[in-house]
Amino acid sequence: DAKTTQPNSMESNEEEPVHLPCNHSTISGTDYIHWYRQLPSQGPEYVIHGLTSNVNNRMASLAIAEDRKSSTLILHRATLRDAAVYYCILRDIDAGNMLTFGGGTRLMVKP
Amino acid sequence: ETGVTQSPTHLIKTRGQQVTLRCSSQSGHNTVSWYQQALGQGPQFIFQYYREEENGRGNFPPRFSGLQFPNYSSELNVNALELDDSALYLCASSFDRGSGELFFGEGSRLTVL
Repeated sequence: DAKTTQPNSMESNEEEPVHLPCNHSTISGTDYIHWYRQLPSQGPEYVIHGLTSNVNNRMASLAIAEDRKSSTLILHRATLRDAAVYYCILRDIDAGNMLTFGGGTRLMVKP
Repeated sequence: ETGVTQSPTHLIKTRGQQVTLRCSSQSGHNTVSWYQQALGQGPQFIFQYYREEENGRGNFPPRFSGLQFPNYSSELNVNALELDDSALYLCASSFDRGSGELFFGEGSRLTVL
């Protein structure tokens, strides 16, 4: 399975943008890039996913490098509710819904 | 729209016993996946059910088994419980078997003594 590398933790101030990086140098052409987050005492929550082009939704933006070996999840304006563990996941198109979670990045948001 | 619900939320078993965990998927979803999350780690894929058939399995022994019912709800059964089975068990449903957009429940916390 292709693997991802994320910083263990990051800190942000409330109402400022946050850029969460993810390296995936062994990504294959059929791997989608997914981001999930997990708030304390809850199940993971889907954030966004993409294949080659940058993606935007109401929660976040996903910027994918041209060579696809890295990506960045962008939260445009962090709130206290965004404090969570953020997982960057590669999913092969033929793997169904099997997601391989790594350790993720613990985001702390300061008021 | 009702989200994914799991029961029970917490339970305690002893080594060697059997446990059944239940999951009601979100309305309109036909695929259910189960994940195991040990304390401090990311979730690990156990298996997926699509239209009542197992449709993918992770690296878990056969004593982990499941069912999906015609209404797309699901059960996870674990036989011969071991101490290492203590974990949060997460159920996730999705519109189909390959969307990658999963909706997770809050999980069932199993403690094996």
